[in-house]
Amino acid sequence: NAGVTQTPKFRILKIGQSMTLQCAQDMNHNYMYWYRQDPGMGLKLIYYSVGAGITDKGEVPNGYNVSRSTTEDFPLRLELAAPSQTSVYFCASSLDRDRWIQYFGAGTRLSVL
Amino acid sequence: RKEVEQDPGPFNVPEGATVAFNCTYSNSASQSFFWYRQDCRKEPKLLMSVYSSGNEDGRFTAQLNRASQYISLLIRDSKLSDSATYLCVVISGGYQKVTFGIGTKLQVIP
Repeated sequence: NAGVTQTPKFRILKIGQSMTLQCAQDMNHNYMYWYRQDPGMGLKLIYYSVGAGITDKGEVPNGYNVSRSTTEDFPLRLELAAPSQTSVYFCASSLDRDRWIQYFGAGTRLSVL
Repeated sequence: RKEVEQDPGPFNVPEGATVAFNCTYSNSASQSFFWYRQDCRKEPKLLMSVYSSGNEDGRFTAQLNRASQYISLLIRDSKLSDSATYLCVVISGGYQKVTFGIGTKLQVIP
């Protein structure tokens, strides 16, 4: 049982490039989330989804897009990378009834130079 | 005032010691509270939920003080493996908003 799988683990982007951070879970969780974690800051919610076809903005959505075509996958898209998006990105999932008991992926470390 | 505040530490304690962390929150209507543990360069993992009456899980005790708006985590008989950053999580806005604290770093020393 893999849980929540994120790819890639590390990535360096140039300013203005785009990329997609992949997230997949095999626990049949309806709820999925994307967070970013910056040094000295708490995790900030970027986007979340309550099920396939349904997504909503979190606290810091600007510069990002998401889609949820299946229960398993929740990719995060950066269209025009900026240095301010240098961060560690975590994907998480949860059951509906305990949505704040979340299972996190191992994270993607992204640097935008 | 920040929504959720934690002392970032580090708290350096010897093995076997008892250590306690607090986490204060500003929204008196907050509904749910959790402690997560995050090892260095790893993902957060749920440590325990915090119930109104307080709850214990082995060497770990979590408590909620609504009057003073803080939650606490007590670790007894500290082990080297307890070294990590402890994140408090506060749910508010009708169970719709999640706020993570910056975490308190614990280093247990041999």
